[in-house]
Amino acid sequence: DSGVTQTPKHLITATGQRVTLRCSPRSGDLSVYWYQQSLDQGLQFLIQYYNGEERAKGNILERFSAQQFPDLHSELNLSSLELGDSALYFCASSSAPRGSYGYTFGSGTRLTVV
Amino acid sequence: AQKVTQAQTEISVVEKEDVTLDCVYETRDTTYYLFWYKQPPSGELVFLIRRNSFDEQNEISGRYSWNFQKSTSSFNFTITASQVVDSAVYFCALPHITQGGSEKLVFGKGTKLTVNP
Repeated sequence: DSGVTQTPKHLITATGQRVTLRCSPRSGDLSVYWYQQSLDQGLQFLIQYYNGEERAKGNILERFSAQQFPDLHSELNLSSLELGDSALYFCASSSAPRGSYGYTFGSGTRLTVV
Repeated sequence: AQKVTQAQTEISVVEKEDVTLDCVYETRDTTYYLFWYKQPPSGELVFLIRRNSFDEQNEISGRYSWNFQKSTSSFNFTITASQVVDSAVYFCALPHITQGGSEKLVFGKGTKLTVNP
């Protein structure tokens, strides 16, 4: 157990729907990062939050949004889902805004859009 | 911008063979970290190593060893006496400092290692 908890582990939904992925960071970590792993794009950075504030944005679609709550857990909201959104979504956490001292990844949420 | 190249898409070996996974990176930073992660068939990303660019000494951890060569911008990973449990996708990664002073990991495409009994 890495200490980063992601729920649900698996999600199957239909096109056009909206889902929410949840991440609880490792105890004491203030930064949360979201990554998408798809077959064609590999592991891509989506967005980062640090202590409740957005710090960096990557290749995140406008249909996607995220937030970090006061208890530091984070949610990634994916709406108007398309088949191409099917992927493994990872959350990672670190203690500082910059994770060079270490990133801890969760076990991922596998999203399948049908 | 940071770039990580793992030229080997797939490697297949027989158990007990040694295998080296290549990682070549590009960065303009003078100091940086490099990471290796393992993704077994179950899907999670498992941290293997973090190396500071200041330290070019080879690192060994059990059957795993890493060869960092700044002159060739390479950070290669060797598994000695491979085992079936080593079968996984291995990723090399390099942090990229974003405009806001934050950071994201830039991953290579990964190398899928299959160790056959």
